[in-house]
Amino acid sequence: DVKVTQSSRYLVKRTGEKVFLECVQDMDHENMFWYRQDPGLGLRLIYFSYDVKMKEKGDIPEGYSVSREKKERFSLILESASTNQTSMYLCASSPQGGQGYTFGSGTRLTVV
Amino acid sequence: GENVEQHPSTLSVQEGDSAVIKCTYSDSASNYFPWYKQELGKGPQLIIDIRSNVGEKKDQRIAVTLNKTAKHFSLHITETQPEDSAVYFCAASYKAAGNKLTFGGGTRVLVKP
Repeated sequence: DVKVTQSSRYLVKRTGEKVFLECVQDMDHENMFWYRQDPGLGLRLIYFSYDVKMKEKGDIPEGYSVSREKKERFSLILESASTNQTSMYLCASSPQGGQGYTFGSGTRLTVV
Repeated sequence: GENVEQHPSTLSVQEGDSAVIKCTYSDSASNYFPWYKQELGKGPQLIIDIRSNVGEKKDQRIAVTLNKTAKHFSLHITETQPEDSAVYFCAASYKAAGNKLTFGGGTRVLVKP
């Protein structure tokens, strides 16, 4: 089974801090995605990557950046955390050409 | 881009009854329609999917139907059980858009014993 592991389940950070959310997958998937989940809004795509060193903006990239230095690892960076970035963050991966995602368990981030 | 709408946002059913969740999509190029179930404290898990060349697909107590002309698809759960209580998400994608999934807003299903 594909495993997508997110490094933290719960995180509390202060406004203005730089925040790193880490995601690692163990099945050699080319595609990786970061979504945020908010009640009533479903899952919204922040950034995605089709290969190492590649990144593309999703629907809501403002205030975020990403890094993919290795195939298995995709990091989401909040350059200067703000309270409106309090949310559940979900990482997912899928094989090249594949359409089904495997999700991690999520990181619930609270910015105070 | 694609837009997916999902209804209802909450659904309460008696154990043993059926539950139906409906989604509409906007982009006629979409050709892949998965459904995910998210239990408390977990990430979404794929439970069933359908491609545009198929009108219906069943897997035990769950089924999905697709109407490409009307651009809507539905999830049907029969003989609901308490363990079906969860949040369900529909989604749509197509290869030309890089297989990025666009999700509906989610439906919280509560099965009352």
